[in-house]
Amino acid sequence: KNQVEQSPQSLIILEGKNCTLQCNYTVSPFSNLRWYKQDTGRGPVSLTIMTFSENTKSNGRYTATLDADTKQSSLHITASQLSDSASYICVVSRTSGTYKYIFGTGTRLKVLA
Amino acid sequence: GAVVSQHPSRVICKSGTSVKIECRSLDFQATTMFWYRQFPKQSLMLMATSNEGSKATYEQGVEKDKFLINHASLTLSTLTVTSAHPEDSSFYICSARGGLALPYEQYFGPGTRLTVT
Repeated sequence: KNQVEQSPQSLIILEGKNCTLQCNYTVSPFSNLRWYKQDTGRGPVSLTIMTFSENTKSNGRYTATLDADTKQSSLHITASQLSDSASYICVVSRTSGTYKYIFGTGTRLKVLA
Repeated sequence: GAVVSQHPSRVICKSGTSVKIECRSLDFQATTMFWYRQFPKQSLMLMATSNEGSKATYEQGVEKDKFLINHASLTLSTLTVTSAHPEDSSFYICSARGGLALPYEQYFGPGTRLTVT
């Protein structure tokens, strides 16, 4: 079954600290993996996208890694800011059949002052 | 580039009435649009996929007669929730895909909060 699981479900950190969010998937055949940030009451905004051959990609303070062999990805946030408080969603796409996004359950991050 | 808008951002309606939500791609032609529903503290759940000029394809468990989708042009799709009930209260998000440059990229709208009283 094509699934995307994220951990932790929620996370609270202090401003300025780093954190790492995890994403495990069983989607096959794999096309690409995206990380989205979703602020409360808003639509998701893309942070990174990685294909099979990419191991890491950065976008400012966000760095995503991908291990296609173990089917794991992580999103590392450096020097967190209050504005990083949001849900982070891992989305995996398949290459065969109808091209769809398979959404993870998300990690709700809260950054405290 | 690649901006998707939704209107309205919030809507409150009475039980039994119908409400229409619009999704527009502002700077590209969206050959495919997707409608999602998101309940509190849950991830997005795909409701239906629509291609311009053809009937929408609904996910299992989604009532096509209740959630009417129209994708009449390459920049506009509408979702009409008919005979809305309190359990239809949710956050509805559309996304659009299209353009030769990034045919597989979906761009999400800001969402519409529907409250049925």
